[in-house]
Amino acid sequence: QVQLQESGPGLVKPSETLSLTCSVSGDSIRSYSSYWSWIRQTPGKGLEWIGFIDSSGNTNNNPSLKSRVTLSVDTSKNQFSLRLSSLTAADTALYYCARAEKKLERLSDWGQGTLVTVSS
Amino acid sequence: QSVLTQPPSVSAAPGQKVTISCSGSSSNIGNNYVSWYQHLPGTAPKLLIYDNNERPSGIPDRFSGSRSGTSATLGITGLQTGDEADYYCGTWDTSLGAVVFGGGTKLTVL
Repeated sequence: QVQLQESGPGLVKPSETLSLTCSVSGDSIRSYSSYWSWIRQTPGKGLEWIGFIDSSGNTNNNPSLKSRVTLSVDTSKNQFSLRLSSLTAADTALYYCARAEKKLERLSDWGQGTLVTVSS
Repeated sequence: QSVLTQPPSVSAAPGQKVTISCSGSSSNIGNNYVSWYQHLPGTAPKLLIYDNNERPSGIPDRFSGSRSGTSATLGITGLQTGDEADYYCGTWDTSLGAVVFGGGTKLTVL
């Protein structure tokens, strides 16, 4: 059973950069058929896919977030990370990390989520 | 406004059957696989259905999925109070180049 756990600040200021890390246990982040993903849930907009990274460092981000997203992976720590820049109040959300298995929409394992509030 | 359209809520009595619809277009549901998720607030979302109608191990056969054209449907039979949750559909959108989700459907078991 793969387990994922998000970590990061709960409160960030507008215009700053959010950094979140997802720690993976029960599977190697080097797993060939896994896509390590980020999804967020905002109160008014439901679930929004942010993007994924694989063990080779290949990434794909949601075009709606344009160039604000940076994804990285640390295979030595079995972790992957999200950086989201130029924050606004609209980025206030519950952020989840997840593992997509073989297909990006097949999100088979999720973390519990971490609430991020953007406020001065 | 979500790319995929779901009814905001559905309800049924224990033991009954309910279906939840998910409507999209040819750029998403019409040409890509659909997944369904169960989400109880405060917990991690759970994958119920993938590839339109496949169940991961451990998911009871009370849960089923189907796809027809640009719509998909989640069916739940033998409703239990523990099934009360939010349900989301998701798929890849070829035009947008992103995974997209429905707005979610709140299931109430009366």
